[in-house]
Amino acid sequence: EAGVTQSPTHLIKTRGQQATLRCSPISGHTSVYWYQQALGLGLQFLLWYDEGEERNRGNFPPRFSGRQFPNYSSELNVNALELEDSALYLCASSLIGWARSYGYTFGSGTRLTVV
Amino acid sequence: EDKVVQSPLSLVVHEGDTVTLNCSYEVTNFRSLLWYKQEKKAPTFLFMLTSSGIEKKSGRLSSILDKKELFSILNITATQTGDSAIYLCAGDDKIIFGKGTRLHILP
Repeated sequence: EAGVTQSPTHLIKTRGQQATLRCSPISGHTSVYWYQQALGLGLQFLLWYDEGEERNRGNFPPRFSGRQFPNYSSELNVNALELEDSALYLCASSLIGWARSYGYTFGSGTRLTVV
Repeated sequence: EDKVVQSPLSLVVHEGDTVTLNCSYEVTNFRSLLWYKQEKKAPTFLFMLTSSGIEKKSGRLSSILDKKELFSILNITATQTGDSAIYLCAGDDKIIFGKGTRLHILP
């Protein structure tokens, strides 16, 4: 069974540009979660999508947005990039309703560097 | 505001030692506490705890939850160099993560 896949692995952008990060969940998983892991700050919850809808959002500005496609894959878009957006962005997937029994399965992340 | 606090933030021990990692939480609508191990990038699931006082065990790792005092501990006995990682604790509902404990095992 393929795990959660994220692309690209690394991304370098200039301040002010836009970044698009992609995530494919485990087959059959309908929920996708996005997290930001900046140095020294742990994992910060960004967004939760399920069945194509945004279910919950963390304390991030509106320039962080995303969507979930009919095949349950998801995109995270970060507009007007700032230097402090440099971080590892992790995606996780779960079967909604099972998440609290089996936890979440994480992808390997996208390392975004803003210069 | 929901929060999860882990301690220590960093720990260095010798192979064979036993370590205890701490996690305290204040989470609205608490359902469960999760522990993850992050070696390189993708955190991997260790334990989910929902009931107080019931120890969960997996090999040399064990964890327990105290819902009255709002904390959990993760114990690793007879540590090995392969245990070197960041250990993350998360409160459920919104999955609020702590900053993690960076554990380094010296050979």
